[in-house]
Amino acid sequence: DQQVKQNSPSLSVQEGRISILNCDYTNSMFDYFLWYKKYPAEGPTFLISISSIKDKNEDGRFTVFLNKSAKHLSLHIVPSQPGDSAVYFCAAILGGSQGNLIFGKGTKLSVKP
Amino acid sequence: EPEVTQTPSHQVTQMGQEVILRCVPISNHLYFYWYRQILGQKVEFLVSFYNNEISEKSEIFDDQFSVERPDGSNFTLKIRSTKLEDSAMYFCASSNTGTGYYYGYTFGSGTRLTVV
Repeated sequence: DQQVKQNSPSLSVQEGRISILNCDYTNSMFDYFLWYKKYPAEGPTFLISISSIKDKNEDGRFTVFLNKSAKHLSLHIVPSQPGDSAVYFCAAILGGSQGNLIFGKGTKLSVKP
Repeated sequence: EPEVTQTPSHQVTQMGQEVILRCVPISNHLYFYWYRQILGQKVEFLVSFYNNEISEKSEIFDDQFSVERPDGSNFTLKIRSTKLEDSAMYFCASSNTGTGYYYGYTFGSGTRLTVV
C-alpha cells in the first residue's frame, strides 16, 4: 500500500544548480502535502507545505509544485548548496486528520561542491 | 529555536520487557504525536494526542502501546511487551495547532529501540 511514492532513491546535483525532487501519490483525497528534510541522527525537519487547492508554494530557495491531475508534486531547490545534502521526504495528509502523515520512502540528495 | 527532546537516544531491551520512551514537546505546543521508522522502511504514524486523549491512531498502535502525558512537560510512549519487530527509530513530534500540517510538525531526534 504505497499511497505516497518517491521513485528516486537518490539524486546528485552540482552546487548552484537546481535540485528537483519528485513525489507521486494515489489518493486524490489528500488535503495537504509536506516536505521534510532529514540529516543522519536527527529527526525530520519541516521545509514547506502546500494545500491541495494550490499549485505552487514558495519559501526562499524552496518551491513546491502540485499537479493534481497527474497526482504529482515536486520540490525545487534553487540554488542547491552542499548543506542541502540530506534525505528528503514527501508526506501527505487527509483533511481533518490529526497528524496521520503518510510518508514516502525518501530521496537522498547529494549536492557536490 | 525550540526543540522536541527525546530520551534516551538509544535503548536496548529484552523481548517481552516493557519499555517507556520519553519526549519533552515544545512548551507551548498542545498536540503531540508518535511515529516510527523501521530500518529501511517509511516513517509511519502511530498516534496523536490532544487534551489528554488519543485523537487518532493507526493500525500499528494496538493494545501493546499506550501514551501518557504524566505531567505538564513529558509525553511518553509505552510498549508493554516488546517484540523483535518493535525494533525501530521512534520519533516524537508536536504542534501548536490541530492543523499542524500547515506549519509543519516539529520532530525530535528520535529514540532508537533495539529489541533483542
